[in-house]
Amino acid sequence: ETGVTQTPRHLVMGMTNKKSLKCEQHLGHNAMYWYKQSAKKPLELMFVYSLEERVENNSVPSRFSPECPNSSHLFLHLHTLQPEDSALYLCASSQEVWVGTGDYEQYFGPGTRLTVT
Amino acid sequence: AQSVTQLDSQVPVFEEAPVELRCNYSSSVSVYLFWYVQYPNQGLQLLLKYLSGSTLVKGINGFEAEFNKSQTSFHLRKPSVHISDTAEYFCAVSGGQGGKLIFGQGTELSVKP
Repeated sequence: ETGVTQTPRHLVMGMTNKKSLKCEQHLGHNAMYWYKQSAKKPLELMFVYSLEERVENNSVPSRFSPECPNSSHLFLHLHTLQPEDSALYLCASSQEVWVGTGDYEQYFGPGTRLTVT
Repeated sequence: AQSVTQLDSQVPVFEEAPVELRCNYSSSVSVYLFWYVQYPNQGLQLLLKYLSGSTLVKGINGFEAEFNKSQTSFHLRKPSVHISDTAEYFCAVSGGQGGKLIFGQGTELSVKP
């Protein structure tokens, strides 16, 4: 595997279910991100991790719970979601986060298409 | 705080025609600028970036963009598009002293034969 992988690619869940999204990066990066992409809206940054420490949480509802057990893996645990949470969830990684100089390039995974029924 | 505005939500164009996708940003500090492309059912892929130096930046797949500080713009251009360029294109900005990527709302490029 190369780059950033995400599983599952598609997920349908009821509002009372609990599920998890998984992201893995094979790039040796230190920073990982969760984004939400809804139709006709800009990408919304949800969470940022640097060396397994959460450095940003953008007012995301508590029904979304991130976990970063090591610098290569990132999870998003989901419970009691709402239909408006249906979206494409993208994971990304970069060499560093918020570095004052240098390359900010983020590498994205293919996303998980989530449908909440 | 930074913000990004992509002026066109959809751009239809015929194959082999030139195209320009417009992006304006606002920021009180120096910025880094990016264009990403998203093909159907895929994640985002970096097309090109401006960090410093020459204001004309060349990227992959024949795309280029020009940083214009006075007009706070970073428009993306390609002289001749292909059907395979059909995708959504996102402009993004981050602050020069460190800061998260702020994305525009995207421009859907549709190339017709």
